[in-house]
Amino acid sequence: AQSVTQLDSQVPVFEEAPVELRCNYSSSVSVYLFWYVQYPNQGLQLLLKYLSGSTLVKGINGFEAEFNKSQTSFHLRKPSVHISDTAEYFCAVSSTNTDKLIFGTGTRLQVFP
Amino acid sequence: DAGVIQSPRHEVTEMGQEVTLRCKPISGHNSLFWYRQTMMRGLELLIYFNNNVPIDDSGMPEDRFSAKMPNASFSTLKIQPSEPRDSAVYFCASRPTDSGANVLTFGAGSRLTVL
Repeated sequence: AQSVTQLDSQVPVFEEAPVELRCNYSSSVSVYLFWYVQYPNQGLQLLLKYLSGSTLVKGINGFEAEFNKSQTSFHLRKPSVHISDTAEYFCAVSSTNTDKLIFGTGTRLQVFP
Repeated sequence: DAGVIQSPRHEVTEMGQEVTLRCKPISGHNSLFWYRQTMMRGLELLIYFNNNVPIDDSGMPEDRFSAKMPNASFSTLKIQPSEPRDSAVYFCASRPTDSGANVLTFGAGSRLTVL
């Protein structure tokens, strides 16, 4: 079975500062990894995904994440955040041989002016 | 493409009443997922369907919960009888079965409040 741990429930940051949201996963088999974003009162939207190949994945809105197999991590980064990035961010994992997508508990990113 | 459509967006009901949540997946998407989101437990997978067939319902919390997918364009999640602890946001998501990876498209959710 797979599991996901998001170490930070909340991350406050000032506008234009860099940010990193941490995600660690556990799995005995190969995995796909995802980051989703949820704006208030909305559903989840895909930010980026790692399926295979390059370990550095670029997504929408200037976000990127790096897959680190040895550390079982998939941290999300952005070099300069905007007020509009304020949202809940979810890391998710699925094994390559299942349809089930397992989500972490989420990290609330709060960007202050 | 109208995306995944869920109804109702908000539902307030009293304990003991039956609740039915509805979902219309994206046309051509053969897999459909129901998730529940609460502050305490985050996003939980309740059940998912491939080609209208329930594949895994191990996340359904109790017999009070049931889900159906009578055709490729419609699914329901029913709670009977409802309890206050069922209060949550329920999300439906879909994807093509042969997409090769679990890239889900989510609906906007149905916020359920059971008094």
